Amino acid sequence: DAGVIQSPRHEVTEMGQEVTLRCKPISGHNSLFWYRQTMMRGLELLIYFNNNVPIDDSGMPEDRFSAKMPNASFSTLKIQPSEPRDSAVYFCASTLGQRGNTIYFGEGSWLTVV
Amino acid sequence: LAKTTQPISMDSYEGQEVNITCSHNNIATNDYITWYQQFPSQGPRFIIQGYKTKVTNEVASLFIPADRKSSTLSLPRVSLSDTAVYYCLVGDGNNDMRFGAGTRLTVKP
Repeated sequence: DAGVIQSPRHEVTEMGQEVTLRCKPISGHNSLFWYRQTMMRGLELLIYFNNNVPIDDSGMPEDRFSAKMPNASFSTLKIQPSEPRDSAVYFCASTLGQRGNTIYFGEGSWLTVV
Repeated sequence: LAKTTQPISMDSYEGQEVNITCSHNNIATNDYITWYQQFPSQGPRFIIQGYKTKVTNEVASLFIPADRKSSTLSLPRVSLSDTAVYYCLVGDGNNDMRFGAGTRLTVKP
């Protein structure tokens, strides 16, 4: 079975540019999570969706960040405009959203903003 | 929302048993306890999960006392390839799943 698929795997962009990260969760999973990982702050939860509906976006750093889940098989995380401090690894993860279900992570999108 | 506390780092030698304890004093009735392993340049991956008592699989054991306010991940006979960051996560799978700082395990030859 295909796991969580993220794209792009690596991106280098200039400050001020728009960045869009994409995620395809595991088929049948109804909860999706976006995480950001840096050395300084560790693994931070940015936002999560249940049945395509955003439930808690309190972890989104600021208005430059937005996330959407238009359907059960696709989600995006957008940064506009990007800044050097946004450089990090962004992970998407999904789960069945039931008691005791495991979260499955994608391989991450490595973002560098110069 | 249960908050977890783990040691920041641990060192061990090949062939030893490693026990990593996680505190989660505010665990809720519906919460499960799940441990993840993360290697550099990869996303965290599932190791083991439990609700109470003891769980064992092919890679680890998980010990959970009756009050469920802590849990201990036990890795038998570690090897160099077990060097990684280990996270303890509590939650019911249907709400925000926030990771703590994790424990960086270094296995030495």
